[in-house]
Amino acid sequence: QVQLVQSGAEVKKPGASVKVSCKASGYTFTNNAMHWVRQAPGQRLEWMGWINTGNGNTKYSQNFQGRVTITRDTSATTAYMELNSLRSEDTAVYYCTRRSCSGGNCYFDYWGQGTLVTVSS
Amino acid sequence: QSVLTQPPPASGTPGQRVTISCSGSSSNIGSNTVSWYQQLPGTAPKLLIYGNNQRPSGVPDRFSGSKSGTSASLAISGLQSEDEADYYCAAWDDSLNGPVFGGGTKLTVL
Repeated sequence: QVQLVQSGAEVKKPGASVKVSCKASGYTFTNNAMHWVRQAPGQRLEWMGWINTGNGNTKYSQNFQGRVTITRDTSATTAYMELNSLRSEDTAVYYCTRRSCSGGNCYFDYWGQGTLVTVSS
Repeated sequence: QSVLTQPPPASGTPGQRVTISCSGSSSNIGSNTVSWYQQLPGTAPKLLIYGNNQRPSGVPDRFSGSKSGTSASLAISGLQSEDEADYYCAAWDDSLNGPVFGGGTKLTVL
């Protein structure tokens, strides 16, 4: 069965960086794009960016351009999201989610369990 | 950043039918399909509807979706206590070249 398992919760100081991993299993890793979405407390889901797991190409939301880097390790079937220059507003749960497309319809069919990143001095 | 608009809280009694709306624009809902996600407290979102009105296997047929123009709706019939959750709509946005999400609608089963 498809599973996305993320790394554990992190506590960081303002200005630091955080790197969250997302280990995929149960399917061919390079067949699906991986997206990263975050959710601040009580807020909507916010898209951060995605990676083509086949060729490594990335696309980032303008809201995070210059601060976020998404990478993948195909041998480890793992995607990573690194966010730099952390500030208190970055306190959120970060999710990886697999994008699937079928008959012209694309959607996020599997989600990681989420990683809480707390930014506090 | 483009976003989709959802109403704030919704509520219903067991057995009732409720509808949650989602409004977008020509660059997202108007030109791409809509998906819906259910988020139970403290858990990750779960795909509920894709392709405007398709249900993944395992999702009860009490859940249905529709789309017209730049708006979409999620209907839940035969409301049950376990349906109490936050519901999010999403669509790809051609201007953003990425997905946009609604603000979420918290559904309470009275």
